[in-house]
Amino acid sequence: AQSVTQLDSHVSVSEGTPVLLRCNYSSSYSPSLFWYVQHPNKGLQLLLKYTSAATLVKGINGFEAEFKKSETSFHLTKPSAHMSDAAEYFCVVRSGGGADGLTFGKGTHLIIQP
Amino acid sequence: EPEVTQTPSHQVTQMGQEVILRCVPISNHLYFYWYRQILGQKVEFLVSFYNNEISEKSEIFDDQFSVERPDGSNFTLKIRSTKLEDSAMYFCASSEARNRQETQYFGPGTRLLVL
Repeated sequence: AQSVTQLDSHVSVSEGTPVLLRCNYSSSYSPSLFWYVQHPNKGLQLLLKYTSAATLVKGINGFEAEFKKSETSFHLTKPSAHMSDAAEYFCVVRSGGGADGLTFGKGTHLIIQP
Repeated sequence: EPEVTQTPSHQVTQMGQEVILRCVPISNHLYFYWYRQILGQKVEFLVSFYNNEISEKSEIFDDQFSVERPDGSNFTLKIRSTKLEDSAMYFCASSEARNRQETQYFGPGTRLLVL
């Protein structure tokens, strides 16, 4: 069984300041982990993924995430927020046990203050 | 860049009616999925489909649901007799392969409202 917990339902930061979106997971097998972003009226777009290679993963638009097995975490960060980063962010796990379906966190709504 | 598309973007139906949600996956992808998100809840996996067969389905995917690839491009989700609790956003996704590292590419969703 697998699960994902996104610790914050809303995060508000000022433009130009760092972003931290927190995610903890549990999985019975070695998982793959993903961050997806959803802008209003758009599909879920992949930001980055961890698949058991490097633990620090770089994604699009300056985002990165670090896989920490000891902490079962996969937090998403960005050094400097931009207004266009305002969106809903989903942390997602896929178990190595052969299941097809992705398991989603509840999402974090990122608000960027001018 | 290739995208997954879904139609309609919004659908309103009466309880007990049948609805068909349509998806066009990315053209060279072989694996297809449906997910749903009830308002205020997590996105949940419904079903995966490969080679004209269901590969895996969740507990949510009961006999009221069916999926089909009627031609070379479309992938559909049918709800036979809609219930109020079927109101949700339905996402289609596709991937090239099935392994756990593979990215699933999502469409923009169809918002279904059952009255």
